[in-house]
Amino acid sequence: TQLLEQSPQFLSIQEGENLTVYCNSSSVFSSLQWYRQEPGEGPVLLVTVVTGGEVKKLKRLTFQFGDARKDSSLHITAAQPGDTGLYLCAGLTTGGATNKLIFGTGTLLAVQP
Amino acid sequence: DAGVIQSPRHEVTEMGQEVTLRCKPISGHNSLFWYRQTMMRGLELLIYFNNNVPIDDSGMPEDRFSAKMPNASFSTLKIQPSEPRDSAVYFCASSSSNQPQHFGDGTRLSIL
Repeated sequence: TQLLEQSPQFLSIQEGENLTVYCNSSSVFSSLQWYRQEPGEGPVLLVTVVTGGEVKKLKRLTFQFGDARKDSSLHITAAQPGDTGLYLCAGLTTGGATNKLIFGTGTLLAVQP
Repeated sequence: DAGVIQSPRHEVTEMGQEVTLRCKPISGHNSLFWYRQTMMRGLELLIYFNNNVPIDDSGMPEDRFSAKMPNASFSTLKIQPSEPRDSAVYFCASSSSNQPQHFGDGTRLSIL
């Protein structure tokens, strides 16, 4: 069974602080995605990382895929209250023509003004 | 563009009743996914369809759960009979082949 463990599970910080969320697995994935989910809504895709060692930046968010494609991290610089939400990593497994996602356990982030 | 549309948004019913959740995928998408999200187990894939055909239903908890996709624009997830432990938020997502999945806003199901 492929599992994705995220840490920390919960994080409450002050506006302006930096933070890092980790996503770890013993399995290799063809790619890894990060989603953010807000209350009452479905997850929304932030980024997909494909190549081992790849780093992608989305404004104040930096995503990194581990060299062995088993782990990933999300770093947020100068967090803002609008960053509050549930962050989910998801590993992509390919079977035929359909992408099957295995979701991580989630990190609930609260940024206090 | 309309996203994935799920109905109802909220459902409260008594245990033993039949529950039917509905999903309209994004037009042109050929893959459809049903997920369940709970605090304890996170977001779990229940079943997915490709070109209206069920491909993998290994995540369906038990025989009380069934899903159908009679055409490319509609899918249902049915629970019969429902139990309190089925209470969760159920999400539907759709995608084109090898493209990212787009999620609906979910159905919050409470079984009393």
